[in-house]
Amino acid sequence: DAMVIQNPRYQVTQFGKPVTLSCSQTLNHNVMYWYQQKSSQAPKLLFHYYDKDFNNEADTPDNFQSRRPNTSFCFLDIRSPGLGDAAMYLCATSRDLRASGGPQETQYFGPGTRLLVL
Amino acid sequence: AQSVTQPDIHITVSEGASLELRCNYSYGATPYLFWYVQSPGQGLQLLLKYFSGDTLVQGIKGFEAEFKRSQSSFNLRKPSVHWSDAAEYFCAVDTNSGGYQKVTFGIGTKLQVIP
Repeated sequence: DAMVIQNPRYQVTQFGKPVTLSCSQTLNHNVMYWYQQKSSQAPKLLFHYYDKDFNNEADTPDNFQSRRPNTSFCFLDIRSPGLGDAAMYLCATSRDLRASGGPQETQYFGPGTRLLVL
Repeated sequence: AQSVTQPDIHITVSEGASLELRCNYSYGATPYLFWYVQSPGQGLQLLLKYFSGDTLVQGIKGFEAEFKRSQSSFNLRKPSVHWSDAAEYFCAVDTNSGGYQKVTFGIGTKLQVIP
C-alpha cells in the first residue's frame, strides 16, 4: 500500500550526464512537489505542480526541470549534474483545495532518491 | 519571509527519559505548523500538525506539541523516549500561499538515544 513511490532509491550519474528521477503516487493528489535535501540540511523546495501548472521557486537553478505527464507521475530532470547536485531528492504530494475554498491537507513524502555525482 | 529555527542541532537523551525539541518560527500571519521525522536514508514522516483550535496537538508514536503564539514556538515533546525514536526531527511552517503548501523547514535536530 505504498502511497508515494520514488525510483530509483539510489542513482549514480557522471558529471554532466543528464539524469531523470521519477515519482509516482497512488493518492490522486493534485499537487506534487520536489525537494532537494543536501547532507545535514533542511529540505529545500525546488518546484511544484498544482495540477498541470508548473511553479518554479525563484532560486531553483535552470539545470533542474520537471515534467508531470499525468496526475500520478512526476519527473525531475537534471540536465547537466554537477558535484554540488549530489543530494537526496524528495517527492511529496498533497491534496490542496484551498483555492476553491476546500480543505488543506498535509504533504506525504516518498522515501527519496539519493543522487551521487561522480 | 517565513523562517523556522531549531536551536538544537544534536540532542542526546537516555532511553525512558523525557524529550523536548524546540522550534521557533517567524511568520506574520497564523501559521500552519508541522513536525516531521526522518530516519537515516528515508523520507519524511509526519508526526503531527497544527492548523487551528486546541494548541496542544497529539501525534503518532506518543509525540505531542504545543503551539504558543506569544512565544512563536511549537515545541515537540515525548514523556518517555524509546531507542527507536533516534532520528532527525524537522519543524516546518506552511505559509498558506494561495492553493499550495509553501513549506519552510528548520535545519533539523538529530536525536540520539542512549541505553
